[in-house]
Amino acid sequence: GESVGLHLPTLSVQEGDNSIINCAYSNSASDYFIWYKQESGKGPQFIIDIRSNMDKRQGQRVTVLLNKTVKHLSLQIAATQPGDSAVYFCAENPQTGNQFYFGTGTSLTVIP
Amino acid sequence: SAVISQKPSRDICQRGTSLTIQCQVDSQVTMMFWYRQQPGQSLTLIATANQGSEATYESGFVIDKFPISRPNLTFSTLTVSNMSPEDSSIYLCSVWGGTEAFFGQGTRLTVV
Repeated sequence: GESVGLHLPTLSVQEGDNSIINCAYSNSASDYFIWYKQESGKGPQFIIDIRSNMDKRQGQRVTVLLNKTVKHLSLQIAATQPGDSAVYFCAENPQTGNQFYFGTGTSLTVIP
Repeated sequence: SAVISQKPSRDICQRGTSLTIQCQVDSQVTMMFWYRQQPGQSLTLIATANQGSEATYESGFVIDKFPISRPNLTFSTLTVSNMSPEDSSIYLCSVWGGTEAFFGQGTRLTVV
């Protein structure tokens, strides 16, 4: 499979602060990326996606940035809330089908 | 969107035995995917299950150990054969919904 890694395995932030989660991917041909959130005991849930023809995409309180030059993704969460505490994964689609390859994961803890 | 149901949600099995995990989707999908998530780890793609053809396995996974069935467009099974404690993981079924991948809640397997 592809190699998709995250820089930080854990992240703790104060409630109300912004969070930034980073991800590196290895396949320069990948053209589609998704960030997933996984709460304890549940399957991953879609947060936001971005295609390789974009540098930035915004959702509700979340922004994904894509830097194709250095093969780097980031997820920014604004005004982090306790409900944001979870493990976050980036996943890449390498154009060979609809399967995704997942990064290591970052555990986000929001401190009230 | 797609709703995915997995059975069983969890099981404790003796080493050397086999367990078959079922995945039911509420809509017809061409491709279904099976992932493994070992404790504290990310998701690793096991195989892609296509209806009407043999599953495609990722490097490190073989059909004898993880046989897959795909009898129709809404159902698939993954069997974990001749289990050992190293097979203790969460196994997740996933489908491609056109714009994102959807996941089941997972089957938490413990091998003793």
